[in-house]
Amino acid sequence: EAQVTQNPRYLITVTGKKLTVTCSQNMNHEYMSWYRQDPGLGLRQIYYSMNVEVTDKGDVPEGYKVSRKEKRNFPLILESPSPNQTSLYFCASSGGVGVYEQYFGPGTRLTVT
Amino acid sequence: DAKTTQPPSMDCAEGRAANLPCNHSTISGNEYVYWYRQIHSQGPQYIIHGLKNNETNEMASLIITEDRKSSTLILPHATLRDTAVYYCIVRVPGFQKLVFGTGTRLLVSP
Repeated sequence: EAQVTQNPRYLITVTGKKLTVTCSQNMNHEYMSWYRQDPGLGLRQIYYSMNVEVTDKGDVPEGYKVSRKEKRNFPLILESPSPNQTSLYFCASSGGVGVYEQYFGPGTRLTVT
Repeated sequence: DAKTTQPPSMDCAEGRAANLPCNHSTISGNEYVYWYRQIHSQGPQYIIHGLKNNETNEMASLIITEDRKSSTLILPHATLRDTAVYYCIVRVPGFQKLVFGTGTRLLVSP
């Protein structure tokens, strides 16, 4: 089954404790992206990757890092989480440049206390 | 900023057609219209997209006006499982970022 998976699905952590949210897709997609969703602000792009070793900032990259060492994986790293990073996070992938639709993961609900 | 305008909410009776409008009056010639939906807090789900011709797939139909300034997503026989927030997005192929607006919250009732 074609899918985007994220782990963990739920995470409660404390300020400053480094964490990684993993994202994996099994569709051999070139493009992957991270979004965060907050009430009243909708979904906003954090980082994206056009291919292996190619990443770039989205609209709200501050406080986040990403890496793309393999085509299938695109982890989101919070080096020093803060309460304002409490949010619902989605990973997405698509086939590449063109009209391809994006496939979204199930989401990771992160709470930073 | 989102380049589309949608009503914040709509109601539909189960089994009836749901017609969700979207205004995109500033759309440029090479921008496509995409529709996604988000059920509760799940990941957004792609529904359909089009450039200027009407499109239909197993989920829905997309009607784009001749001037391309607006479109309508049609769910022909809405079910309770179609209750969701529906997002209309315009995008240039090759520019992968999706700019989500506030969408339309569709409530399908028995």
